[in-house]
Amino acid sequence: EAQVTQNPRYLITVTGKKLTVTCSQNMNHEYMSWYRQDPGLGLRQIYYSMNVEVTDKGDVPEGYKVSRKEKRNFPLILESPSPNQTSLYFCASSSTTGARGYTFGSGTRLTVV
Amino acid sequence: QKEVEQNSGPLSVPEGAIASLNCTYSDRGSQSFFWYRQYSGKSPELIMFIYSNGDKEDGRFTAQLNKASQYVSLLIRDSQPSDSATYLCAVKENTGFQKLVFGTGTRLLVSP
Repeated sequence: EAQVTQNPRYLITVTGKKLTVTCSQNMNHEYMSWYRQDPGLGLRQIYYSMNVEVTDKGDVPEGYKVSRKEKRNFPLILESPSPNQTSLYFCASSSTTGARGYTFGSGTRLTVV
Repeated sequence: QKEVEQNSGPLSVPEGAIASLNCTYSDRGSQSFFWYRQYSGKSPELIMFIYSNGDKEDGRFTAQLNKASQYVSLLIRDSQPSDSATYLCAVKENTGFQKLVFGTGTRLLVSP
């Protein structure tokens, strides 16, 4: 089954404790992206990657890091999480053409206390 | 920053009625338009995409695009309570990259 797999689904952590949210896709997609979703603000892009070793900032990159060492994986790293990073996070992927939009992962609900 | 505007709703319709969801966008060069459905706490799910002016139908769903007016809409015929969700409009920026800009969504409530 074609899918984007995110882990974990839920995460509660404390301020400053480094964490990684994993994302993996099995569709051989070149393009991958991370979004956060907050009430009233919609989906906002954090980082994206056009291919292996090619990443760039989205609209809200502060406090986040990413890497793309393999085509299928695109982890999101919060090196020192803060409460304002409490949000619902989605990983998404698409083919190069983007003709059929994105396929989204099931989401990670992160709470930073 | 290119913008995609949607009325947040909620849009309330009775079961069996037609629900009409609207979206405007600011980037006149945009070529690709998408509608996603999102249930509370779940991930967005692609319903329709449209590239050309006019209507595109898929089952109970019809997407309508008017590039001159920078307007895209989604019609849901014979609305069902299971259609109650937030509908996100997304527009692909005319940059050559695959970035989609999302609206904040319209919440649809279909009452039995």
